[in-house]
Amino acid sequence: ILNVEQSPQSLHVQEGDSTNFTCSFPSSNFYALHWYRWETAKSPEALFVMTLNGDEKKKGRISATLNTKEGYSYLYIKGSQPEDSATYLCAPSSNDYKLSFGAGTTVTVRA
Amino acid sequence: KAGVTQTPRYLIKTRGQQVTLSCSPISGHRSVSWYQQTPGQGLQFLFEYFSETQRNKGNFPGRFSGRQFSNSRSEMNVSTLELGDSALYLCASKSGTGELFFGEGSRLTVL
Repeated sequence: ILNVEQSPQSLHVQEGDSTNFTCSFPSSNFYALHWYRWETAKSPEALFVMTLNGDEKKKGRISATLNTKEGYSYLYIKGSQPEDSATYLCAPSSNDYKLSFGAGTTVTVRA
Repeated sequence: KAGVTQTPRYLIKTRGQQVTLSCSPISGHRSVSWYQQTPGQGLQFLFEYFSETQRNKGNFPGRFSGRQFSNSRSEMNVSTLELGDSALYLCASKSGTGELFFGEGSRLTVL
């Protein structure tokens, strides 16, 4: 199980503002990096699975970048909306395919 | 396409009892993973089953066990329940691209 750090633990964003947060993980034996969104009273939902250094993925207003050499990924939310309020989890896996989840960044978007 | 189904959704047990939780994956998915979430903790990996074989295991005591059937349905069992086993137990099935699809979870309370 990998040591995964997500920061900040929580953040509050004004509606319309953009924000970003970080996931740090060991760079050795890296296989893939997953991002999930977990809304209250729902199941975690996959956002991205990234494998290549320098990879950038986008889904609507949400995008993510990956640096496997230094062991970090950023998730960006552009023009935050109330429906973006959720806990965002990152989970790297090494070559044993086990996912290790971070504690998450909880985003609250204020109208 | 039906999602991941977990039963029961809620249950209450007393210390020393045992519990069995069930998970039916998305049709065609052969990998099923189990996670535990307790307050203040990230998702902790329990184990993963693929084609009826345990492929990976987390750092949980032997009281936690699981199995997978030929139709890919999986069960996890916790014996000799302790207060600290109170948690949300999530099951996830894995697609061919590696994304996890989570069920709604089974919330266990141990009194």
